[in-house]
Amino acid sequence: QLQLQESGPGLVNPSETLSLTCTVSGGSISGDYWSWIRQLPGKGLEWIGYVRYTGSTNYSPSLNSRVTISLDTSKNDFSLRVSSVTAADTAIYYCVRGERTLAGPWGPGTLVTVSS
Amino acid sequence: DVVMTQSPLSLPVTLGQPASISCRSSQSLVYSDGNTHLNWFQQRPGQSPRRLIYMVSNRDSGVPDRFSGSGSGTDFTLKISRVEAEDVGIYYCMQGTHWPWTFGQGTKVEIK
Repeated sequence: QLQLQESGPGLVNPSETLSLTCTVSGGSISGDYWSWIRQLPGKGLEWIGYVRYTGSTNYSPSLNSRVTISLDTSKNDFSLRVSSVTAADTAIYYCVRGERTLAGPWGPGTLVTVSS
Repeated sequence: DVVMTQSPLSLPVTLGQPASISCRSSQSLVYSDGNTHLNWFQQRPGQSPRRLIYMVSNRDSGVPDRFSGSGSGTDFTLKISRVEAEDVGIYYCMQGTHWPWTFGQGTKVEIK
């Protein structure tokens, strides 16, 4: 059974870089698409971007200049980096298998707070 | 970006009664491959979202048949034929046709 688990700091200083990793277990990261989605406090869901098993990526234009998503097939995980964060980046961050149909599963999510 | 507008945003329902959620997109969701990439997700309290319906009307494995999706073009509906206590949560529609893919604001289903 495929499972995803986010990990990384829960608190990030303003202007610094948010870094999260999603570890995939119960299956291979190869041959699929992997996405990062966030849920802003009290608000809905926002797609950050996705990475294909080949390493190609696509980022939301609203975050494009600050986002990097990469994968590591040797570790069976993929990562998210968001630079120059502000309080507006405070959210629950989810990693998910899939792209336009977003089949899942989703990780449990990790709350990242941007604050000094 | 394609705007997904759900209504209502809050839906109190009596157990055993039907429920219906509308989702409208600001552009047609018919993709170049002829498919319409409109998905529905359920987020139960304290849990991550999970997909219920993909490509308008295809139910995911394990999803009860009281859930059904319909619609075309820009107008879509999720129906629950008889609401059960486990259906409480927030329901989101999501379009996967136009990048960036976008979600509706969510509809909170609660028991009266």
